Amino acid sequence: GAVVSQHPSRVICKSGTSVKIECRSLDFQATTMFWYRQFPKQSLMLMATSNEGSKATYEQGVEKDKFLINHASLTLSTLTVTSAHPEDSSFYICSAPASFTSTDTQYFGPGTRLTVL
Amino acid sequence: RKEVEQDPGPFNVPEGATVAFNCTYSNSASQSFFWYRQDCRKEPKLLMSVYSSGNEDGRFTAQLNRASQYISLLIRDSKLSDSATYLCVVKPWYGGSQGNLIFGKGTKLSVKP
Repeated sequence: GAVVSQHPSRVICKSGTSVKIECRSLDFQATTMFWYRQFPKQSLMLMATSNEGSKATYEQGVEKDKFLINHASLTLSTLTVTSAHPEDSSFYICSAPASFTSTDTQYFGPGTRLTVL
Repeated sequence: RKEVEQDPGPFNVPEGATVAFNCTYSNSASQSFFWYRQDCRKEPKLLMSVYSSGNEDGRFTAQLNRASQYISLLIRDSKLSDSATYLCVVKPWYGGSQGNLIFGKGTKLSVKP
């Protein structure tokens, strides 16, 4: 079946550095990908919608200059956390809809656990 | 009011028990409903979609009541492997198909031997 991969699975970095997370659809194309964030004991919260060939759409309260999204191709979206701070430590998960016509079925990546020291 | 609300649990049940989870959602225009399962420190995985007519998949039965904006999940004959957090998920209507999912915080289930 369809698979979405994320890299890296875990990253520990110092405060002030930037971290790039890759999300790839492995055997299907995704014009749209979603980036979520999950803090401990909290629900997954949508951060932004990544669109191939156009700008990402950010949810209210998410700083677009801090969380840079680039949908470079139909199989790759990247999220860069710039100037990371300890409060950015979280579980970042991407997802891609299974088809162009419906987002009812979404495939999730395995997630990236970010720890900022 | 939160968009999707669930009892966080935990629900601690013995093997073989029947357990039910409930969920309410606030947006009456929501179009699609799901139950996902999330294991500790892993990504969520689709358990089943939820339809107004109710639907069953093996030991799992899901119900939707649009009038009450209420969704339920029933697990019969619980197995140890059912231990996980169950997420109630709603897809709102944005006038198109390219919509994101809205997740509840999840209900934690622990099945004991």
